[in-house]
Amino acid sequence: SQQGEEDPQALSIQEGENATMNCSYKTSINNLQWYRQNSGRGLVHLILIRSNEREKHSGRLRVTLDTSKKSSSLLITASRAADTASYFCATDSGSARQLTFGSGTQLTVLP
Amino acid sequence: DTGVSQDPRHKITKRGQNVTFRCDPISEHNRLYWYRQTLGQGPEFLTYFQNEAQLEKSRLLSDRFSAERPKGSFSTLEIQRTEQGDSAMYLCASSETGGNEKLFFGSGTQLSVL
Repeated sequence: SQQGEEDPQALSIQEGENATMNCSYKTSINNLQWYRQNSGRGLVHLILIRSNEREKHSGRLRVTLDTSKKSSSLLITASRAADTASYFCATDSGSARQLTFGSGTQLTVLP
Repeated sequence: DTGVSQDPRHKITKRGQNVTFRCDPISEHNRLYWYRQTLGQGPEFLTYFQNEAQLEKSRLLSDRFSAERPKGSFSTLEIQRTEQGDSAMYLCASSETGGNEKLFFGSGTQLSVL
């Protein structure tokens, strides 16, 4: 079963614009991670935010976490065509040793 | 560090046949995970090893599925009597000890059951 739900399911923007993706989840978490997946490939870890953190930056990425609303957002600034991929949030809940992934947002950045 | 490698990249089989996939994790990682991903969905957890011990299995892992990790290095995932519903991308990931920190994924094995 999917713990998280990303919104929107698909997003198309022009190069240079910012892209924002949202993730909602159901249970309390230890941390939340974002991954990127290019078509037909494995997932690549982007950023991890812990439950006691509210915001984190990494290069052009900014992640926020609101545990009261059980939601997170991923902002990609100054997008590039190479950012075209599917983006997934994944949650680590309690004693579970598995990450539970959402259904993903398909981002298309048009040159 | 050569990353997580999976073999084969693609597998086409007929319904009822058995298939086996291999995963070689990053050498210093003692945690290994198998996930399954269908088109348009996120990966779904199948099973998890710490060293050679299989510590968790999803209810998605029916008795036709078996995974091993002998000697705590590479892992194999076998599907017996394949069904068309088994068609999916099978992803392997590894991580260091210390909790659910970041996972390093292989490129996956795409299984098509005809």
